[in-house]
Amino acid sequence: EPEVTQTPSHQVTQMGQEVILRCVPISNHLYFYWYRQILGQKVEFLVSFYNNEISEKSEIFDDQFSVERPDGSNFTLKIRSTKLEDSAMYFCASSEGGVPQYFGPGTRLLVL
Amino acid sequence: AQSVTQPDIHITVSEGASLELRCNYSYGATPYLFWYVQSPGQGLQLLLKYFSGDTLVQGIKGFEAEFKRSQSSFNLRKPSVHWSDAAEYFCAVGFMEYGNKLVFGAGTILRVKS
Repeated sequence: EPEVTQTPSHQVTQMGQEVILRCVPISNHLYFYWYRQILGQKVEFLVSFYNNEISEKSEIFDDQFSVERPDGSNFTLKIRSTKLEDSAMYFCASSEGGVPQYFGPGTRLLVL
Repeated sequence: AQSVTQPDIHITVSEGASLELRCNYSYGATPYLFWYVQSPGQGLQLLLKYFSGDTLVQGIKGFEAEFKRSQSSFNLRKPSVHWSDAAEYFCAVGFMEYGNKLVFGAGTILRVKS
């Protein structure tokens, strides 16, 4: 069964550093998403991406964040200058038609 | 703002017993409704979904959920719980008027005792 994959599974970085989280969505899907889950809190929507552009973003998704689909298979989330409060599990999701969304295993980001 | 409530943070049931996990959402428009399960260190696995039609939906692993519009609820049920069902369960709701983003509940941690 096709799955969403994410790399790395864990990332530790210093505050102020840039990180790029990578995702390979399911191959025939057209809609891509990033969510995050701060430890002990709810899963929160960050951004959705369709037709090579952002279709929706949350208040969390400020100028420090960007997304890109650099080729036909990868979908990336970049955090330009990480802050302590960016520590979270980041989930990528993809969908054929918007819903339902299929989630990857997540990348656990720790900012020190 | 749209919100999803899972009133039970933890639930413990005996293996073989029935299970019901509650989920309520705040907005009255036609929602898309989902249940996801997350085992420790794992991602979110889709258990079942409701878009329209029959309000009782069947999912994987023997789970079912019933959409009750009058109660704005989408409770998850299983008639006989197995030890392997121990995990965290998330209710998620999408609202057509608000794009495709999902709003998640806080999750319910299910413990199964033998």
